[in-house]
Amino acid sequence: DSGVTQTPKHLITATGQRVTLRCSPRSGDLSVYWYQQSLDQGLQFLIQYYNGEERAKGNILERFSAQQFPDLHSELNLSSLELGDSALYFCASSAPTDTEAFFGQGTRLTVV
Amino acid sequence: AQTVTQSQPEMSVQEAETVTLSCTYDTSENNYYLFWYKQPPSRQMILVIRQEAYKQQNATENRFSVNFQKAAKSFSLKISDSQLGDTAMYFCAFMRIYGGSQGNLIFGKGTKLSVKP
Repeated sequence: DSGVTQTPKHLITATGQRVTLRCSPRSGDLSVYWYQQSLDQGLQFLIQYYNGEERAKGNILERFSAQQFPDLHSELNLSSLELGDSALYFCASSAPTDTEAFFGQGTRLTVV
Repeated sequence: AQTVTQSQPEMSVQEAETVTLSCTYDTSENNYYLFWYKQPPSRQMILVIRQEAYKQQNATENRFSVNFQKAAKSFSLKISDSQLGDTAMYFCAFMRIYGGSQGNLIFGKGTKLSVKP
């Protein structure tokens, strides 16, 4: 158990819909990262938050948004879903002085 | 921009043998870390080993060791005494360090390792 909790574990939804993925980082970790893992694109960085503020952006679509709340949990919002958004979405967290990123179990999103 | 390349999509090894997974990267940065992550069928991402670019000594963690060639931008993973539980996808990853803070991970496409009994 990495200490990073992601909910839900599985999500099936229809095209055009909106979903929210939730991540609770390890206690004490200030950084939260979101990654997307798909068969064709591999593991891609989406966005990073540090102590509530956006720190870096990767290949995140405009239809996707994220935020980190004062209690440090984070949410990734995916809207106007397309079939190609089907993927495993990982959240990871790290402590301010450590380079190790701890990954959650991921949310498997299936868009039908 | 940094890139990470893993040229071996799949590899197999006999139990108890040694296997080496290759990784090359491209960067103009001086301050960075390199990692190997393991993803077993459970899909959990697990850190295997990490190497700081400033350290010349190769990192080791029990049966896992790396061969870090900074000038060649090469970072291979050697697994000794392979075990069935080592069967997994292995990802090489790069992390830039800037202003004392960690950046995000940039992953290679992965190598699927099968350990055969």
